[in-house]
Amino acid sequence: DQQVKQNSPSLSVQEGRISILNCDYTNSMFDYFLWYKKYPAEGPTFLISISSIKDKNEDGRFTVFLNKSAKHLSLHIVPSQPGDSAVYFCAASAPQRGGSEKLVFGKGTKLTVNP
Amino acid sequence: DSGVTQTPKHLITATGQRVTLRCSPRSGDLSVYWYQQSLDQGLQFLIQYYNGEERAKGNILERFSAQQFPDLHSELNLSSLELGDSALYFCASSGLAGGVGEKLFFGSGTQLSVL
Repeated sequence: DQQVKQNSPSLSVQEGRISILNCDYTNSMFDYFLWYKKYPAEGPTFLISISSIKDKNEDGRFTVFLNKSAKHLSLHIVPSQPGDSAVYFCAASAPQRGGSEKLVFGKGTKLTVNP
Repeated sequence: DSGVTQTPKHLITATGQRVTLRCSPRSGDLSVYWYQQSLDQGLQFLIQYYNGEERAKGNILERFSAQQFPDLHSELNLSSLELGDSALYFCASSGLAGGVGEKLFFGSGTQLSVL
């Protein structure tokens, strides 16, 4: 059962335009959401996150929006650059017994930014 | 460079065999996580260790086991290997026990091919 869904396996945009990557989740217990970026032959690296008590978090060209009622979040990249070409993973965190959090990842969206 | 080291980078073996994947966390990090990424799948959480003790368990098969040693490095043992075990195995580390919004730092992964 896929609790975190990234329904678009790939996305292609022109340099300078906006990239919008979407993520849907089903578990209402998720209390924190993160985006990771992965280049080929490298491990995922943290990009940006948002707490469930917020609806927007911005960091430079990257903004994450959270719509709790729709169980939907999105990552906006403005303006997109060729170096942003990577696989983007959406991840959601839920509290577990014992105080730790369990991180659940989506399948990823491959973003290609064309010069 | 995330500071997390995984060895080997590539591993080719046959069905029924046993392999060991090794991970050295970032200096000072106490938690080690293991994830599996199969074709067309997201990152599936396997297991987490914190300061030598098992902290959380995910979808880890009984044929798989892991441990974290006193020097905090970790090993993931995969036995009675099947074709379906072919995947990219990531190790990640974090400084704490896995709290809300805790960022993970990933290694570059071990690509396991079972023939």
